[in-house]
Amino acid sequence: DAMVIQNPRYQVTQFGKPVTLSCSQTLNHNVMYWYQQKSSQAPKLLFHYYDKDFNNEADTPDNFQSRRPNTSFCFLDIRSPGLGDAAMYLCATSRDLEGALFFGSGTQLSVL
Amino acid sequence: AQSVTQLGSHVSVSEGALVLLRCNYSSSVPPYLFWYVQYPNQGLQLLLKYTSAATLVKGINGFEAEFKKSETSFHLTKPSAHMSDAAEYFCAVRSISNFGNEKLTFGTGTRLTIIP
Repeated sequence: DAMVIQNPRYQVTQFGKPVTLSCSQTLNHNVMYWYQQKSSQAPKLLFHYYDKDFNNEADTPDNFQSRRPNTSFCFLDIRSPGLGDAAMYLCATSRDLEGALFFGSGTQLSVL
Repeated sequence: AQSVTQLGSHVSVSEGALVLLRCNYSSSVPPYLFWYVQYPNQGLQLLLKYTSAATLVKGINGFEAEFKKSETSFHLTKPSAHMSDAAEYFCAVRSISNFGNEKLTFGTGTRLTIIP
């Protein structure tokens, strides 16, 4: 089945230690998104790629970076995680900017 | 500008009873509207979407929603609640205009509890 896959499901890192979360898709969608969702809150868009074009949200901290080496893969890099970065990170895709989003199961990040 | 308001952060209904989750939107242009469901420790799953076709939209798992422009609402309903419907539900809006597409904006969510 076509899907959005996120690895790992749970990630534990130390304060200040760089961490990378990964996302892959078999939908061949043009757009890939990264959302941050804290407990009992709505998902918050960090950035998205339309093909190779990167679009950063104005309020996304510089600590968060992303890479999309090809259509299928997208990575979220947190350069120096703080305690406030502990959250669920959701990857999503859409065929274009008008389409519905398809989400992965998320990566729950803990920062010790 | 666009926004979504979900009335009621927590809703409890008895098994077999009607489910009604409220969503009101604000958009300066005709919107696309979505309902997503999130089960514990899972990603979001699309329930249904409105994209300016029929105003009554049927989704998965027996859910449906009606777009009412006069009320700027897109409430989610299900005639008979099932225990498996217990989850968090998010309404979302995306405005499409000649000036570009706005990002998908989520409401703050409604946690649905089903009482046996």
